[in-house]
Amino acid sequence: AAGVIQSPRHLIKEKRETATLKCYPIPRHDTVYWYQQGPGQDPQFLISFYEKMQSDKGSIPDRFSAQQFSDYHSELNMSSLELGDSALYFCASSLWPRGQNTEAFFGQGTRLTVV
Amino acid sequence: ELKVEQNPLFLSMQEGKNYTIYCNYSTTSDRLYWYRQDPGKSLESLFVLLSNGAVKQEGRLMASLDTKARLSTLHITAAVHDLSATYFCAVYNNNDMRFGAGTRLTVKP
Repeated sequence: AAGVIQSPRHLIKEKRETATLKCYPIPRHDTVYWYQQGPGQDPQFLISFYEKMQSDKGSIPDRFSAQQFSDYHSELNMSSLELGDSALYFCASSLWPRGQNTEAFFGQGTRLTVV
Repeated sequence: ELKVEQNPLFLSMQEGKNYTIYCNYSTTSDRLYWYRQDPGKSLESLFVLLSNGAVKQEGRLMASLDTKARLSTLHITAAVHDLSATYFCAVYNNNDMRFGAGTRLTVKP
């Protein structure tokens, strides 16, 4: 079965550069969540989208932005990268949680290293 | 603001033993998730609990939810080495899932 696809899997950037992470949800899933996970930390919620509209916002820095496109894929744009942005970035997708359609599946993550 | 607390944060078990991981959360929610994560890997969905009193079991793992106490438990029965991983609970609230700090489980022979 198709899973959540994230690209790239690994990314190395220099400070002050920009990065774009992509997430392709499971087919028919209309909701996408982005998380940042530092080493030994729990996943921190960044932002979520439902039907191409932002549905909630967490601890996402102003230097980051994201959007969901008409095909439901999502992109996380990160500018003016800092060393502290080095982390695993996960995307998850689900159907909009209603009734029993609620399980959220995670992609394999993008490991971003800022040097 | 929703707070999700797990305990213990670290758990070292011997094979064959039983133990329980606890997840408390601070506001009402109608769904709770348990995930497993191996080092450097993604999060694997284990259980979704939707209602008060819900209990789900898969192999040696059993999860339950008490929405009145805002508490979920993940019970491990007769632990085996391949259960070693980090286990996260996550609570759905206002269009996102908020994670606990995780319980790093090590099962020793």
